[in-house]
Amino acid sequence: GAGVSQTPSNKVTEKGKYVELRCDPISGHTALYWYRQSLGQGPEFLIYFQGTGAADDSGLPNDRFFAVRPEGSVSTLKIQRTERGDSAMYLCASSLQGKASTEAFFGQGTRLTVV
Amino acid sequence: AQKVTQAQTEISVVEKEDVTLDCVYETRDTTYYLFWYKQPPSGELVFLIRRNSFDEQNEISGRYSWNFQKSTSSFNFTITASQVVDSAVYFCAPDYGQNFVFGPGTRLSVLP
Repeated sequence: GAGVSQTPSNKVTEKGKYVELRCDPISGHTALYWYRQSLGQGPEFLIYFQGTGAADDSGLPNDRFFAVRPEGSVSTLKIQRTERGDSAMYLCASSLQGKASTEAFFGQGTRLTVV
Repeated sequence: AQKVTQAQTEISVVEKEDVTLDCVYETRDTTYYLFWYKQPPSGELVFLIRRNSFDEQNEISGRYSWNFQKSTSSFNFTITASQVVDSAVYFCAPDYGQNFVFGPGTRLSVLP
């Protein structure tokens, strides 16, 4: 497809389990972002990739959260030992160059529910 | 962290009315870009407009216009002749070079 694709669209997991969320950016976009959005709030920055490397991971809340982008395209956000407070919509976005002048295109998100 | 304030939590207007959404941001940077995004009930964030900090000229794009004032760090967004399909949450999002910092959003309801 032409847009940013995120899978799964919904994920329900038990507290303590490990989850992986996948993002397929727009082809050719070198910059990729992960955001987390809780109900009624704005998206909160988690991590930014430029190519294969994490250019800024200052938004990751703790060491249970990790993200990779091994070939500079698809990215996976990994959450270990999930907690109920991790429940949120996880949004992925990509942009052509990652410079501040270019808009980012967002996927429809993965809604994570930890029970 | 650099903060973004959208003081209006919710706004309701009747179709065809004009509506302005307010945004005030904090920044220590001299160079930055400002964005507005829309999040309809489907959930996907949609890019609307972009403005750089060098240019304070206000512009109009179709039914959208914006008023950027660097001296007061405000970047207000106006929809002219609102339509029911404009109902969504609107986010102001400065980009300071590495990532977007989203405001809390304003929920706009346009009633028929």
